[in-house]
Amino acid sequence: DSGVTQTPKHLITATGQRVTLRCSPRSGDLSVYWYQQSLDQGLQFLIQYYNGEERAKGNILERFSAQQFPDLHSELNLSSLELGDSALYFCASSAMGFNYGYTFGSGTRLTVV
Amino acid sequence: KNEVEQSPQNLTAQEGEFITINCSYSVGISALHWLQQHPGGGIVSLFMLSSGKKKHGRLIATINIQEKHSSLHITASHPRDSAVYICAVRHSGGGADGLTFGKGTHLIIQP
Repeated sequence: DSGVTQTPKHLITATGQRVTLRCSPRSGDLSVYWYQQSLDQGLQFLIQYYNGEERAKGNILERFSAQQFPDLHSELNLSSLELGDSALYFCASSAMGFNYGYTFGSGTRLTVV
Repeated sequence: KNEVEQSPQNLTAQEGEFITINCSYSVGISALHWLQQHPGGGIVSLFMLSSGKKKHGRLIATINIQEKHSSLHITASHPRDSAVYICAVRHSGGGADGLTFGKGTHLIIQP
């Protein structure tokens, strides 16, 4: 157990639907990062939150959004799902955004049918 | 051209062999990470480097900032080392702390 908890582990849903992925960071970590891993694009950075505030955006689609709550857990919302959104979604956390290692969760495997 | 290039893409070796995986990057960085991903999908952070060399057990990671190059070495390789090894960089200059990833090296160690 890495200390970063992601739920659910697997999710199957239909095109056009909306899903929410959840991440609880390692205790004491203030930064949460979301990454997408697909077969064709590999791993890509989506978005980062630090202590409740959005800090940086990567290749995140407008149909996707995220937030970090006061207890530091984070949720990634994916809407109007398309077949191409099928991927592994990882959450990672770090103590600060800077010069600290990352701890990854085990990922949520999303399949859009 | 990708900002982070890894070689080789695939590597099959015999148990006990010395393994080297290379990573080259084209941007200024503040840190470079080596990650390991097993077939089950989970990602483990092996090293974070900003200069020099780090060692953990049979794993050694080096970085040459001037040449924008890093290597991951595995000594006395074992079948349990079979995994995908991913190089990732954090850009320098502040701003986003998200990582930019290489495509990964798929390593298979045969008994």
